[in-house]
Amino acid sequence: DTAVSQTPKYLVTQMGNDKSIKCEQNLGHDTMYWYKQDSKKFLKIMFSYNNKELIINETVPNRFSPKSPDKAHLNLHINSLELGDSAVYFCASSQFQALSSGNTIYFGEGSWLTVV
Amino acid sequence: QQQVKQSPQSLIVQKGGISIINCAYENTAFDYFPWYQQFPGKGPALLIAIRPDVSEKKEGRFTISFNKSAKQFSLHIMDSQPGDSATYFCAATNTGGGNKLTFGTGTQLKVEL
Repeated sequence: DTAVSQTPKYLVTQMGNDKSIKCEQNLGHDTMYWYKQDSKKFLKIMFSYNNKELIINETVPNRFSPKSPDKAHLNLHINSLELGDSAVYFCASSQFQALSSGNTIYFGEGSWLTVV
Repeated sequence: QQQVKQSPQSLIVQKGGISIINCAYENTAFDYFPWYQQFPGKGPALLIAIRPDVSEKKEGRFTISFNKSAKQFSLHIMDSQPGDSATYFCAATNTGGGNKLTFGTGTQLKVEL
């Protein structure tokens, strides 16, 4: 039973298209995240939501719009896709905002986005 | 600005050997330092974490050493096994300031038989 699940796992699309990645967690966590891992495996936070409220919004182009319909779901919509958007996008969740040894981040398996 | 510097980029260790990965940070407000392990095709998973009020934390074969004055911390994997072959990321965050995890650049570890 997957704790943090995201779909699709693989996505190949053309430049200029709009696409969405969906994420669901069944852990009952309050906080969800989107991270981006580039081709060099560098991981960087994009957004964080706590109880459906946006709390972290890194310097991400406004073509990227997260939406949290409820605290178990955090979707990522990307408009006008560019070649540089090709990356692996990880959804994650934690029980609370404050990270500690008792409150860790659980990552999904990633969505591989390739823009051609 | 890379706030958490990690080295080496890649590491090859013989089975049974000790793997050592080093990280250095700049932000003195960081107060939680986790290490993540990532296998190909999977998301990162928490391995072990430490707070700066202790100098060492050990869980099984994995040990974090922490040097607050030098702003450095390292992961030691004792008796390295082929199953440990993965990419390891150090990370840091200020738990009182937004809990944004800043990751190191990753170390690809290969443990050979």
